[in-house]
Amino acid sequence: DGGITQSPKYLFRKEGQNVTLSCEQNLNHDAMYWYRQDPGQGLRLIYYSQIVNDFQKGDIAEGYSVSREKKESFPLTVTSAQKNPTAFYLCASSITTGYTFGSGTRLTVV
Amino acid sequence: GQQLNQSPQSMFIQEGEDVSMNCTSSSIFNTWLWYKQDPGEGPVLLIALYKAGELTSNGRLTAQFGITRKDSFLNISASIPSDVGIYFCAGQEGLNYNNNDMRFGAGTRLTVKP
Repeated sequence: DGGITQSPKYLFRKEGQNVTLSCEQNLNHDAMYWYRQDPGQGLRLIYYSQIVNDFQKGDIAEGYSVSREKKESFPLTVTSAQKNPTAFYLCASSITTGYTFGSGTRLTVV
Repeated sequence: GQQLNQSPQSMFIQEGEDVSMNCTSSSIFNTWLWYKQDPGEGPVLLIALYKAGELTSNGRLTAQFGITRKDSFLNISASIPSDVGIYFCAGQEGLNYNNNDMRFGAGTRLTVKP
């Protein structure tokens, strides 16, 4: 079955460490997105990529970085520069019928 | 980016009751989508609307694309405990899903009491 997979489901990191969240899709979608979700705030766009080797900043890109070396993969790195990294992170992809979301990664920084 | 205005923020209802929630925007949209998110999971698409005035059903769920193209509503009839979750509206001004113009509401958190 085609889908979008995020890993790990839960991630704990010490403050000051960089951490990379994985997102893989086998839907053959061109566009991929990373969103951050905080309680009561809905979804906020971090980065998006419309095509391989190209990506654009979203509304809250500071402290994050991405790469898009393959169509199937769009990893997100949460750097030590991100002041409040604890959140639920959602990856999505799209082609013509709206977004398909992964099941999310909950990152907790202690 | 611009967020949609979704209401209510939360609802507490008794099993069997009907539910209604809505979303409004200051911009005209060409697409309205409704998603449901279970706790600790990603949103799942429930209904997609592509034309002003369109009324679409998916089981006990019914959604409409407002005539003005600036609003949409979602109704759930005869609620059951598994309807619990957060419901998000999403709207897009353009017609190309690869563009970055999808906007999301803040969500309606639904609690159903047995």
